[in-house]
Amino acid sequence: EAQVTQNPRYLITVTGKKLTVTCSQNMNHEYMSWYRQDPGLGLRQIYYSMNVEVTDKGDVPEGYKVSRKEKRNFPLILESPSPNQTSLYFCASSPIATGGISAFFGQGTRLTVV
Amino acid sequence: LAKTTQPISMDSYEGQEVNITCSHNNIATNDYITWYQQFPSQGPRFIIQGYKTKVTNEVASLFIPADRKSSTLSLPRVSLSDTAVYYCLVGEPGGFKTIFGAGTRLFVKA
Repeated sequence: EAQVTQNPRYLITVTGKKLTVTCSQNMNHEYMSWYRQDPGLGLRQIYYSMNVEVTDKGDVPEGYKVSRKEKRNFPLILESPSPNQTSLYFCASSPIATGGISAFFGQGTRLTVV
Repeated sequence: LAKTTQPISMDSYEGQEVNITCSHNNIATNDYITWYQQFPSQGPRFIIQGYKTKVTNEVASLFIPADRKSSTLSLPRVSLSDTAVYYCLVGEPGGFKTIFGAGTRLFVKA
């Protein structure tokens, strides 16, 4: 089954403790992206990747890092999480030809930073 | 990237046709219009995409006028399970940056 898998689905952590949210897709997609969703603000793009070792900033990259060492994986790293990064995070992937406007989304990771 | 404007919310009853309109006055020549559906605590799901005139699939229809400055997502005979947030996006295929607006929260009542 074609899917984008995020782990963990839920995470509660403390301020400053580094964490990684993993994202994996099994569709051999070149394009992957991370979003955060906050009430009243919709989905905002954090980072995206066009292929292995190629990444770029979205609209809200501050406080986040990403890496794309393998085509199927695109982890999101929070080096020093803060409470304002409490949010619902989504990873998405698509073929490079369609890019970001038509993508498969994961089920989401709800992160709480206390 | 063209900015989009949608109604914040809409109510409907089961069995009715629902039309959600999205304004995108600054749409570029190469841009396509895409609609997503999102249920609570789930990731958005692609519904339909079009460039001009009308597109129809098993889920919805998308109407795009000649000037392409707006589009209308049409959901035929909605059911309770169509209660969700619907997002309109405008962008070029192969484009990497995306902007989701606030979406339209559709509530279907029995």
